[in-house]
Amino acid sequence: DTAVSQTPKYLVTQMGNDKSIKCEQNLGHDTMYWYKQDSKKFLKIMFSYNNKELIINETVPNRFSPKSPDKAHLNLHINSLELGDSAVYFCASSSERGEKLFFGSGTQLSVL
Amino acid sequence: AQSVTQPDIHITVSEGASLELRCNYSYGATPYLFWYVQSPGQGLQLLLKYFSGDTLVQGIKGFEAEFKRSQSSFNLRKPSVHWSDAAEYFCAVGPSGGYQKVTFGTGTKLQVIP
Repeated sequence: DTAVSQTPKYLVTQMGNDKSIKCEQNLGHDTMYWYKQDSKKFLKIMFSYNNKELIINETVPNRFSPKSPDKAHLNLHINSLELGDSAVYFCASSSERGEKLFFGSGTQLSVL
Repeated sequence: AQSVTQPDIHITVSEGASLELRCNYSYGATPYLFWYVQSPGQGLQLLLKYFSGDTLVQGIKGFEAEFKRSQSSFNLRKPSVHWSDAAEYFCAVGPSGGYQKVTFGTGTKLQVIP
């Protein structure tokens, strides 16, 4: 079983559309994250949730809205997609101590 | 603010040769330090981590890293590289304890030639 799974793996869409990426972890972790990896491979944290509570919210446009229905799921909804949103988005989870991040395999978003 | 510098964007080594990937960090207190590896099309996987204690840490796949506080470095090493080690390697730093944010370096792409 995949520890952290995210769907879809690829997402191609037009500018202005709204899209969602889903993430689920079966590790029993309390904390989940969204990271964005740009074309130069730079990986930057966007959000972190601990037990469904938002604890980290980096400087991200408010077009991005995370939602955590329970501690095993963290979804990312993006409104009014822009060209600059094209990137690979990674979901990750960790135990509360944050000693190790477990990453999903990423969602490659291409905005045309 | 915490930061990580990986000065080498791209490194090429011959299979069987030794490897050292450099990482320098900036952090005001005792950091947590990590090395992650990313294979093409995959998420990142933890190779090893340093929290405290012995400054030479062993990880998976035969990798090791040494924490040098005086040099603010945490370089990754492997005595003999295998073709399957070709990947992108990320150094990361985080505050000790808790789920606070981890900052990643910009990565070093390792190419292994036969």
